[in-house]
Amino acid sequence: NAGVTQTPKFQVLKTGQSMTLQCAQDMNHNSMYWYRQDPGMGLRLIYYSASEGTTDKGEVPNGYNVSRLNKREFSLRLESAAPSQTSVYFCASMPTSGYNEQFFGPGTRLTVL
Amino acid sequence: KNQVEQSPQSLIILEGKNCTLQCNYTVSPFSNLRWYKQDTGRGPVSLTIMTFSENTKSNGRYTATLDADTKQSSLHITASQLSDSASYICVVSAPGTYKYIFGTGTRLKVLA
Repeated sequence: NAGVTQTPKFQVLKTGQSMTLQCAQDMNHNSMYWYRQDPGMGLRLIYYSASEGTTDKGEVPNGYNVSRLNKREFSLRLESAAPSQTSVYFCASMPTSGYNEQFFGPGTRLTVL
Repeated sequence: KNQVEQSPQSLIILEGKNCTLQCNYTVSPFSNLRWYKQDTGRGPVSLTIMTFSENTKSNGRYTATLDADTKQSSLHITASQLSDSASYICVVSAPGTYKYIFGTGTRLKVLA
């Protein structure tokens, strides 16, 4: 039981390049989330998926797209990376919203030059 | 604007001492409040979850309190250990939403 896994752990991109961050959970959770964490700021929600087949924008969705591939997997894509997207990205999952524990992955540290 | 503010920003204590971290929020209406521990280079890990009707929740040496009237919460750490060195994050959610509002955290360092 690995919990929430993320790949890659580290990535360096040049401005304008694209990439996909992968996230998978093995806890049979319905809800999945993508956050970014920047110095001096709280985690901010980029996108979330309440259940398989649905996705919704969070607080900072511009420049990102997501795919809920199946119940286990939720990917985040940067189509044309910008230096402002340099951040640590966390994927999280939980059974449903409400009074449930949210489980986080180990994070992906992304640098855009 | 809904906000979650934490204090202090950072704290240094000696091993074995107790400490209390503060969280004030303006989220309204309010559904639940969570405290997370985040070790350096890792994802946050849940410590406690409380609804508006709960006043206290414990998890080992960690005790969270909530006063929904004053919109304040605290996290008390008893008999601190070196492994308690981490950031502690307060998170508040509103009812019926998937939106969780994160504080910026308190960075705790426990010295031997």
